[in-house]
Amino acid sequence: DGGITQSPKYLFRKEGQNVTLSCEQNLNHDAMYWYRQDPGQGLRLIYYSQIVNDFQKGDIAEGYSVSREKKESFPLTVTSAQKNPTAFYLCASTDWEFNEQFFGPGTRLTVL
Amino acid sequence: GQQLNQSPQSMFIQEGEDVSMNCTSSSIFNTWLWYKQEPGEGPVLLIALYKAGELTSNGRLTAQFGITRKDSFLNISASIPSDVGIYFCAGPAPNAGGTSYGKLTFGQGTILTVHP
Repeated sequence: DGGITQSPKYLFRKEGQNVTLSCEQNLNHDAMYWYRQDPGQGLRLIYYSQIVNDFQKGDIAEGYSVSREKKESFPLTVTSAQKNPTAFYLCASTDWEFNEQFFGPGTRLTVL
Repeated sequence: GQQLNQSPQSMFIQEGEDVSMNCTSSSIFNTWLWYKQEPGEGPVLLIALYKAGELTSNGRLTAQFGITRKDSFLNISASIPSDVGIYFCAGPAPNAGGTSYGKLTFGQGTILTVHP
């Protein structure tokens, strides 16, 4: 089955620790994205990558970092510099031809 | 940057009722996308629209691409309890050069509650 996987579904970390969220896709999409969603809120773009070894900051990149070493993978690191990291994180990828963006199931990060 | 205004913010309806929601943009869109997000899950693409005036259905869902290209509408007929969720509209978010690179602008969402 083609799709986007995110792991883990739930993640708990202590304040001050860095944590890396996984995102893998087998849709052969070039572009991938990370969003943050807070309760009752819309989606805010953290980082995006149009192609391997290239990525750009989104609207709320501070305190986050990414890498794009493989087409299929776009991991997101939430660093200790992120002041309010508890949120629901969504990964997505795009079929450029149709601008249709597909989402993974999300990871809920709770920082204690 | 572009903004999408989605309304209503929330809806509480009885099972069997029809639902209408809309999305308006401050600028022209070439594509409109409608997503549904269930609690604790990622958004799922429901309908994609590519031409002004286009009317597309997916089961009980019908969406329209407004003639002005600045708005879109989503209707759900004969609602059922599993329609509960947040519905988002979205469209490409071009930069100053006119290329979106696949980036989307999202509305704030319409929270739908269906009472049995």
